[in-house]
Amino acid sequence: GAVVSQHPSRVICKSGTSVKIECRSLDFQATTMFWYRQFPKQSLMLMATSNEGSKATYEQGVEKDKFLINHASLTLSTLTVTSAHPEDSSFYICSASASTGGAGREKLFFGSGTQLSVL
Amino acid sequence: GENVEQHPSTLSVQEGDSAVIKCTYSDSASNYFPWYKQELGKGPQLIIDIRSNVGEKKDQRIAVTLNKTAKHFSLHITETQPEDSAVYFCAASTGQAGTALIFGKGTTLSVSS
Repeated sequence: GAVVSQHPSRVICKSGTSVKIECRSLDFQATTMFWYRQFPKQSLMLMATSNEGSKATYEQGVEKDKFLINHASLTLSTLTVTSAHPEDSSFYICSASASTGGAGREKLFFGSGTQLSVL
Repeated sequence: GENVEQHPSTLSVQEGDSAVIKCTYSDSASNYFPWYKQELGKGPQLIIDIRSNVGEKKDQRIAVTLNKTAKHFSLHITETQPEDSAVYFCAASTGQAGTALIFGKGTTLSVSS
């Protein structure tokens, strides 16, 4: 399947600092990428949809000024957690949509995730 | 919007037994139903998927069935092995470009030898 690379895999930061997470599609172009958040032993919750060259679409309850998303190219989307606080500690996972042939044949592939710990 | 329910939340089986995980969805427009396996500290890995134009799909020990009328789909794992132990998520979407997946809450599968 298609490869999605996410970095860093783990980051520890002090409260009030900002953290940037990168998500790259390595062998395909992704017009759309998605950012999910996952708390321990819970499901993946969609945070936002990132479209190349346009503003991201955020899900209800997700602060767009806190979680800045940039999708400047067809292979890179970044999520910046601004002024991080302990409650932002979570597992963040990106995903990218890759076509497996023909319209409506999209599949979603995930990065390896980033464990963010805010002290 | 779409809502996906998944059962059971935990499942313990003996090595060699079969495991079945069931999901229901609410949006009749959904026509793409993937299953993901997630190991601790890693991102989800796509293991099998099905689209609404078929009722069943099989890949070695893994199979997925879909009943679009009843809006439910199931994952079947036969001859389970300890390395099958993980959290499994079902998901649903319209399958179109730019459409996010909505996930079930996950099933923790434990296979004991």
